[in-house]
Amino acid sequence: AQKVTQAQTEISVVEKEDVTLDCVYETRDTTYYLFWYKQPPSGELVFLIRRNSFDEQNEISGRYSWNFQKSTSSFNFTITASQVVDSAVYFCALSTNAGKSTFGDGTTLTVKP
Amino acid sequence: GAGVSQSPSNKVTEKGKDVELRCDPISGHTALYWYRQSLGQGLEFLIYFQGNSAPDKSGLPSDRFSAERTGGSVSTLTIQRTQQEDSAVYLCASSLGLAGASGNEQFFGPGTRLTVL
Repeated sequence: AQKVTQAQTEISVVEKEDVTLDCVYETRDTTYYLFWYKQPPSGELVFLIRRNSFDEQNEISGRYSWNFQKSTSSFNFTITASQVVDSAVYFCALSTNAGKSTFGDGTTLTVKP
Repeated sequence: GAGVSQSPSNKVTEKGKDVELRCDPISGHTALYWYRQSLGQGLEFLIYFQGNSAPDKSGLPSDRFSAERTGGSVSTLTIQRTQQEDSAVYLCASSLGLAGASGNEQFFGPGTRLTVL
Protein backbone atom coordinates (compact mmCIF):
# COMPACT_ATOMS: atom_id res chain seq x y z
CA ALA A 1 0.00 0.00 0.00
CA GLN A 2 1.17 3.51 -0.62
CA LYS A 3 0.50 6.61 1.38
CA VAL A 4 1.24 10.32 1.24
CA THR A 5 1.05 12.46 4.36
CA GLN A 6 0.92 16.23 4.36
CA ALA A 7 0.81 16.97 8.05
CA GLN A 8 0.21 20.70 7.65
CA THR A 9 -3.45 21.24 6.90
CA GLU A 10 -3.24 25.03 6.77
CA ILE A 11 -0.39 27.52 6.79
CA SER A 12 -0.70 31.27 6.95
CA VAL A 13 2.22 33.59 6.29
CA VAL A 14 2.77 37.23 5.55
CA GLU A 15 4.04 38.22 2.12
CA LYS A 16 7.80 37.88 1.64
CA GLU A 17 8.14 35.21 4.29
CA ASP A 18 9.65 31.86 3.32
CA VAL A 19 7.44 28.82 3.81
CA THR A 20 8.08 25.07 3.60
CA LEU A 21 5.38 22.53 2.85
CA ASP A 22 6.09 19.05 4.14
CA CYS A 23 5.40 15.78 2.37
CA VAL A 24 6.16 12.30 3.68
CA TYR A 25 5.44 9.21 1.63
CA GLU A 26 5.31 5.46 2.06
CA THR A 27 5.77 2.83 -0.60
CA ARG A 28 7.36 -0.59 -0.95
CA ASP A 29 8.24 0.05 -4.56
CA THR A 30 11.82 0.94 -5.38
CA THR A 31 10.84 2.80 -8.53
CA TYR A 32 8.37 5.64 -8.17
CA TYR A 33 7.73 9.27 -8.97
CA LEU A 34 6.83 12.12 -6.66
CA PHE A 35 4.91 15.20 -7.76
CA TRP A 36 3.73 18.53 -6.45
CA TYR A 37 0.57 20.12 -7.79
CA LYS A 38 -0.98 23.51 -7.08
CA GLN A 39 -4.72 24.10 -6.90
CA PRO A 40 -5.43 27.84 -6.96
CA PRO A 41 -8.79 29.23 -5.87
CA SER A 42 -10.00 28.84 -9.49
CA GLY A 43 -9.95 25.10 -8.89
CA GLU A 44 -7.84 23.42 -11.57
CA LEU A 45 -4.79 21.51 -10.39
CA VAL A 46 -1.56 22.50 -12.08
CA PHE A 47 1.63 20.46 -12.19
CA LEU A 48 4.68 21.99 -10.52
CA ILE A 49 7.44 19.40 -10.40
CA ARG A 50 8.25 15.70 -10.59
CA ARG A 51 11.09 13.65 -9.11
CA ASN A 52 11.92 9.99 -9.72
CA SER A 53 13.14 7.76 -6.94
CA PHE A 54 16.65 7.57 -8.33
CA ASP A 55 17.23 11.30 -8.50
CA GLU A 56 17.76 12.91 -5.12
CA GLN A 57 19.18 16.08 -6.57
CA ASN A 58 17.37 19.07 -5.19
CA GLU A 59 15.88 21.55 -7.61
CA ILE A 60 15.33 25.26 -7.64
CA SER A 61 13.01 27.07 -10.00
CA GLY A 62 12.77 30.76 -9.31
CA ARG A 63 11.27 31.19 -5.85
CA TYR A 64 10.40 27.49 -5.63
CA SER A 65 12.72 24.77 -4.41
CA TRP A 66 12.29 21.11 -3.60
CA ASN A 67 14.18 18.87 -1.20
CA PHE A 68 13.94 15.12 -1.81
CA GLN A 69 15.42 12.82 0.85
CA LYS A 70 14.92 9.09 0.44
CA SER A 71 16.39 8.42 3.87
CA THR A 72 13.45 10.16 5.50
CA SER A 73 10.93 9.49 2.69
CA SER A 74 10.29 13.18 2.37
CA PHE A 75 9.77 15.52 -0.57
CA ASN A 76 9.42 19.01 0.85
CA PHE A 77 8.57 22.16 -1.07
CA THR A 78 9.83 25.62 -0.15
CA ILE A 79 8.57 28.94 -1.43
CA THR A 80 10.99 31.78 -0.89
CA ALA A 81 9.73 35.34 -0.51
CA SER A 82 6.08 34.26 -0.74
CA GLN A 83 3.57 36.33 -2.66
CA VAL A 84 -0.21 36.65 -2.41
CA VAL A 85 -0.50 34.77 -5.74
CA ASP A 86 1.06 31.75 -4.06
CA SER A 87 -2.13 31.30 -2.03
CA ALA A 88 -3.53 27.93 -3.03
CA VAL A 89 -3.88 24.33 -1.96
CA TYR A 90 -0.73 22.34 -2.63
CA PHE A 91 -0.81 18.60 -3.14
CA CYS A 92 2.01 16.10 -2.98
CA ALA A 93 1.48 12.91 -4.97
CA LEU A 94 3.15 9.52 -5.35
CA SER A 95 2.93 7.34 -8.46
CA THR A 96 4.36 3.86 -8.86
CA ASN A 97 4.66 1.35 -11.68
CA ALA A 98 1.36 -0.12 -10.57
CA GLY A 99 -0.20 2.94 -12.15
CA LYS A 100 -2.33 4.35 -9.36
CA SER A 101 -1.48 7.81 -8.09
CA THR A 102 -1.88 8.60 -4.41
CA PHE A 103 -2.36 12.19 -3.34
CA GLY A 104 -1.94 13.75 0.09
CA ASP A 105 -4.79 15.66 1.67
CA GLY A 106 -3.21 18.94 0.64
CA THR A 107 -1.89 21.98 2.47
CA THR A 108 -3.81 25.22 2.20
CA LEU A 109 -1.38 28.11 2.02
CA THR A 110 -2.62 31.62 2.65
CA VAL A 111 -0.24 34.48 1.97
CA LYS A 112 -1.42 37.74 3.46
CA PRO A 113 -0.33 41.10 2.08
CA GLY B 1 -4.05 23.31 -27.51
CA ALA B 2 -7.21 22.26 -25.73
CA GLY B 3 -6.92 20.99 -22.20
CA VAL B 4 -8.99 18.39 -20.39
CA SER B 5 -12.66 19.25 -20.44
CA GLN B 6 -15.44 17.94 -18.25
CA SER B 7 -19.19 18.22 -18.43
CA PRO B 8 -21.40 19.24 -16.86
CA SER B 9 -19.58 21.71 -14.65
CA ASN B 10 -22.34 21.44 -12.07
CA LYS B 11 -24.93 18.74 -11.51
CA VAL B 12 -27.69 18.76 -8.95
CA THR B 13 -29.67 15.57 -8.64
CA GLU B 14 -32.07 13.89 -6.29
CA LYS B 15 -31.13 10.97 -4.14
CA GLY B 16 -31.68 7.71 -5.97
CA LYS B 17 -31.22 9.09 -9.49
CA ASP B 18 -28.41 8.03 -11.84
CA VAL B 19 -25.87 10.54 -13.14
CA GLU B 20 -23.28 10.49 -15.92
CA LEU B 21 -20.18 12.64 -15.84
CA ARG B 22 -18.12 13.13 -18.97
CA CYS B 23 -14.42 13.70 -19.52
CA ASP B 24 -12.66 14.67 -22.75
CA PRO B 25 -8.92 14.12 -22.30
CA ILE B 26 -6.14 15.82 -24.18
CA SER B 27 -5.73 14.30 -27.62
CA GLY B 28 -2.99 11.67 -27.68
CA HIS B 29 -2.99 11.05 -23.96
CA THR B 30 -3.24 7.32 -23.32
CA ALA B 31 -3.81 7.47 -19.56
CA LEU B 32 -7.01 8.82 -18.01
CA TYR B 33 -7.79 9.09 -14.30
CA TRP B 34 -10.90 9.84 -12.26
CA TYR B 35 -10.68 11.29 -8.74
CA ARG B 36 -13.17 12.47 -6.18
CA GLN B 37 -12.52 15.53 -4.06
CA SER B 38 -14.83 16.13 -1.13
CA LEU B 39 -14.97 19.57 0.48
CA GLY B 40 -11.64 20.36 2.11
CA GLN B 41 -10.29 16.91 1.36
CA GLY B 42 -7.56 15.53 -0.83
CA LEU B 43 -8.01 13.63 -4.04
CA GLU B 44 -9.45 10.16 -3.73
CA PHE B 45 -8.42 7.88 -6.59
CA LEU B 46 -11.36 6.16 -8.27
CA ILE B 47 -10.21 4.52 -11.51
CA TYR B 48 -7.65 4.82 -14.28
CA PHE B 49 -7.46 3.70 -17.89
CA GLN B 50 -4.22 3.11 -19.76
CA GLY B 51 -4.41 2.46 -23.48
CA ASN B 52 -6.24 -0.76 -24.26
CA SER B 53 -5.43 -2.39 -20.93
CA ALA B 54 -8.13 -3.33 -18.46
CA PRO B 55 -8.86 -0.37 -16.19
CA ASP B 56 -7.76 -0.31 -12.57
CA LYS B 57 -11.06 -0.05 -10.71
CA SER B 58 -9.58 -0.54 -7.27
CA GLY B 59 -10.63 2.89 -6.04
CA LEU B 60 -14.32 2.72 -6.89
CA PRO B 61 -16.15 3.02 -3.54
CA SER B 62 -19.07 0.76 -4.41
CA ASP B 63 -20.69 -1.14 -7.25
CA ARG B 64 -22.91 1.90 -7.87
CA PHE B 65 -19.89 3.50 -9.52
CA SER B 66 -18.70 2.50 -12.98
CA ALA B 67 -16.68 4.07 -15.75
CA GLU B 68 -15.91 3.41 -19.36
CA ARG B 69 -13.62 4.87 -21.94
CA THR B 70 -14.72 4.60 -25.53
CA GLY B 71 -12.24 4.49 -28.40
CA GLY B 72 -9.39 5.32 -26.05
CA SER B 73 -10.62 8.88 -25.72
CA VAL B 74 -13.77 10.15 -24.01
CA SER B 75 -14.64 8.67 -20.64
CA THR B 76 -17.91 8.54 -18.73
CA LEU B 77 -18.23 8.04 -14.99
CA THR B 78 -21.65 6.74 -14.00
CA ILE B 79 -23.06 6.79 -10.51
CA GLN B 80 -26.24 4.80 -10.05
CA ARG B 81 -28.80 5.39 -7.30
CA THR B 82 -26.95 8.43 -6.02
CA GLN B 83 -26.61 9.02 -2.30
CA GLN B 84 -25.98 12.25 -0.42
CA GLU B 85 -22.47 11.10 0.45
CA ASP B 86 -21.68 11.05 -3.28
CA SER B 87 -21.75 14.85 -3.26
CA ALA B 88 -18.26 16.02 -4.21
CA VAL B 89 -16.20 17.41 -7.05
CA TYR B 90 -15.26 14.73 -9.55
CA LEU B 91 -11.97 15.43 -11.29
CA CYS B 92 -10.66 13.89 -14.46
CA ALA B 93 -7.02 13.94 -15.50
CA SER B 94 -5.08 12.66 -18.47
CA SER B 95 -1.40 12.07 -19.15
CA LEU B 96 0.80 10.91 -22.00
CA GLY B 97 1.48 7.69 -20.16
CA LEU B 98 1.06 6.33 -16.69
CA ALA B 99 2.46 8.74 -14.13
CA GLY B 100 4.25 6.02 -12.22
CA ALA B 101 5.79 4.31 -15.20
CA SER B 102 7.25 7.28 -16.96
CA GLY B 103 6.81 10.25 -14.69
CA ASN B 104 4.25 11.90 -16.92
CA GLU B 105 2.41 14.66 -15.16
CA GLN B 106 -1.35 14.63 -15.07
CA PHE B 107 -3.37 17.41 -16.67
CA PHE B 108 -6.55 18.05 -14.77
CA GLY B 109 -9.93 19.20 -15.92
CA PRO B 110 -12.03 21.79 -14.08
CA GLY B 111 -14.15 19.11 -12.44
CA THR B 112 -17.85 18.41 -12.10
CA ARG B 113 -19.45 19.54 -8.87
CA LEU B 114 -22.11 16.98 -7.97
CA THR B 115 -24.75 17.78 -5.39
CA VAL B 116 -27.15 15.07 -4.31
CA LEU B 117 -30.19 16.40 -2.52
